[in-house]
Amino acid sequence: EAQVTQNPRYLITVTGKKLTVTCSQNMNHEYMSWYRQDPGLGLRQIYYSMNVEVTDKGDVPEGYKVSRKEKRNFPLILESPSPNQTSLYFCASSTGLAGVETQYFGPGTRLLVL
Amino acid sequence: SQQGEEDPQALSIQEGENATMNCSYKTSINNLQWYRQNSGRGLVHLILIRSNEREKHSGRLRVTLDTSKKSSSLLITASRAADTASYFCATGGYSGGGADGLTFGKGTHLIIQP
Repeated sequence: EAQVTQNPRYLITVTGKKLTVTCSQNMNHEYMSWYRQDPGLGLRQIYYSMNVEVTDKGDVPEGYKVSRKEKRNFPLILESPSPNQTSLYFCASSTGLAGVETQYFGPGTRLLVL
Repeated sequence: SQQGEEDPQALSIQEGENATMNCSYKTSINNLQWYRQNSGRGLVHLILIRSNEREKHSGRLRVTLDTSKKSSSLLITASRAADTASYFCATGGYSGGGADGLTFGKGTHLIIQP
């Protein structure tokens, strides 16, 4: 089944404790991105990747890192999480640019930073 | 980056009725996409309409795009309880080689009363 998977689905952590949210897609998509969703603010793009080893900042990249060593994986790294990063996070992939092609979303990761 | 804004913010109708949601945006776009999100879950792509198209259909869904008014509408006919969800429009730009992201509105929350 074609899908985007994220792990973990739920995470509670404390300020400053490094964490990684994994994202994997099995559709051989070149483009992957991360979004966060907050009440009243909608979805905002954090980072995106056009291909292996090619990443760039989205609208709200502060406090996040990403890497794209393999085509199928695009982990999101929070080196020192803070409470304002409490949010619902979505990974997405597509065959082409996010602004041009349909995005396929993962199920989401709900993060609480205490 | 351009942003879609949905109207209304919330809509409650009886099962069997039609539901119409509108989206307005500010700048030129390559395409406009509609997504559905069931409570706290991932986004599911519904329809992508390109800037040179005026209308698209998919099952009970009908999307129109008026680039002169910078607006789009999503019509769901013969609504069902399972259509209860939040609906987002997202606008995509394309600046020749740039990787403009997909910019989401804040959504319309649709409730279908049985």
